[in-house]
Amino acid sequence: ELKVEQNPLFLSMQEGKNYTIYCNYSTTSDRLYWYRQDPGKSLESLFVLLSNGAVKQEGRLMASLDTKARLSTLHITAAVHDLSATYFCAVDGSYNTDKLIFGTGTRLQVFP
Amino acid sequence: KAGVTQTPRYLIKTRGQQVTLSCSPISGHRSVSWYQQTPGQGLQFLFEYFSETQRNKGNFPGRFSGRQFSNSRSEMNVSTLELGDSALYLCASGRHGGDEQYFGPGTRLTVT
Repeated sequence: ELKVEQNPLFLSMQEGKNYTIYCNYSTTSDRLYWYRQDPGKSLESLFVLLSNGAVKQEGRLMASLDTKARLSTLHITAAVHDLSATYFCAVDGSYNTDKLIFGTGTRLQVFP
Repeated sequence: KAGVTQTPRYLIKTRGQQVTLSCSPISGHRSVSWYQQTPGQGLQFLFEYFSETQRNKGNFPGRFSGRQFSNSRSEMNVSTLELGDSALYLCASGRHGGDEQYFGPGTRLTVT
């Protein structure tokens, strides 16, 4: 059974600092997704990583994928308060379908 | 381009009742997936439909069912509601299997 683990679960960081969220998954998968969720809101797609070594960047966020290690990272550079949210990674649960297995989520709080 | 819509947005039901939730995907998308989000269990996959066929089903009891219509709109039904069914129910749509998915705003169900 595919399992997806994220760490840390909670992250409190000061504005301007850098940090990395880790996402490990247990079996081979072709795709990895990162989503953001604000309190009481739905999921917003951040990144779709499709191949080993894929790296994508948007603003202060950068995501990477190592399929051999079954590891993805979401790196935050010079955090700002607006990045406060919960971040989820998700992996394809079944080839060529839309069944996603989500990680536990990382709740990020950025303070001044 | 309109996003994924879900109705109703909020719902309060009593134990033992049944409920039907609706999801209209983005125009042109043929895949609809449903997820349940709770504080304790996180985001869990319920089922996935593509061209009116259920392709995958998550590990939920038979009280949870769904269907998809020819216009790709989808409904999910929960019968004999239990307190533990209180959750945010999210649907997501995509063009085809394995494509990026876009989430709707969710339906928050409260069972009393």
